[in-house]
Amino acid sequence: KNQVEQSPQSLIILEGKNCTLQCNYTVSPFSNLRWYKQDTGRGPVSLTIMTFSENTKSNGRYTATLDADTKQSSLHITASQLSDSASYICVVSASPDSWGKFQFGAGTQVVVTP
Amino acid sequence: DTEVTQTPKHLVMGMTNKKSLKCEQHMGHRAMYWYKQKAKKPPELMFVYSYEKLSINESVPSRFSPECPNSSLLNLHLHALQPEDSALYLCASSRTDRGLIEKLFFGSGTQLSVL
Repeated sequence: KNQVEQSPQSLIILEGKNCTLQCNYTVSPFSNLRWYKQDTGRGPVSLTIMTFSENTKSNGRYTATLDADTKQSSLHITASQLSDSASYICVVSASPDSWGKFQFGAGTQVVVTP
Repeated sequence: DTEVTQTPKHLVMGMTNKKSLKCEQHMGHRAMYWYKQKAKKPPELMFVYSYEKLSINESVPSRFSPECPNSSLLNLHLHALQPEDSALYLCASSRTDRGLIEKLFFGSGTQLSVL
């Protein structure tokens, strides 16, 4: 069973609107959670990294939140642009001794339409 | 320089061919990774090199052979691949393979098609 579940699987939003993506995880012990943006056929690009002590982190129009108690994270995109069309992947790391292994979610495919 | 460079960007090969994928970074990172990604799926870890030594092999078939000639370079040698090996192959690097926060830097990938 995947230890990182993302929802929705995909969504379509109008340019200029906001949207929120969800990530629930069961990875334990928890070390950190990352959100990546991946354009089709390209490598993922890091948006945010949060440890258990951080509740929110912003990167431009992207704001990630983390609730380590409920093991939930969200990524909020404000005033979406056509260039935001991509797959957004939630990645969770276990303890520092995870030996370089990261648990990837399946991603949320976002399509921004004019 | 915060880039991970992968070459080639696209590769088409037959099942009897031998080819190599290359990855390079000059950020002083000591951990480098190979991932395989099928369309609309998350990346799957294949190999991790830590300080130029293979530290993780996720039971990858021997037709994939990684090599880390030095701390900046990572190769993936391909031989006798199958059509189901067609995928996007991603290289990534981080300062080390452990630690509280190690940011992963990904390359743009090599889109491999096996005919």
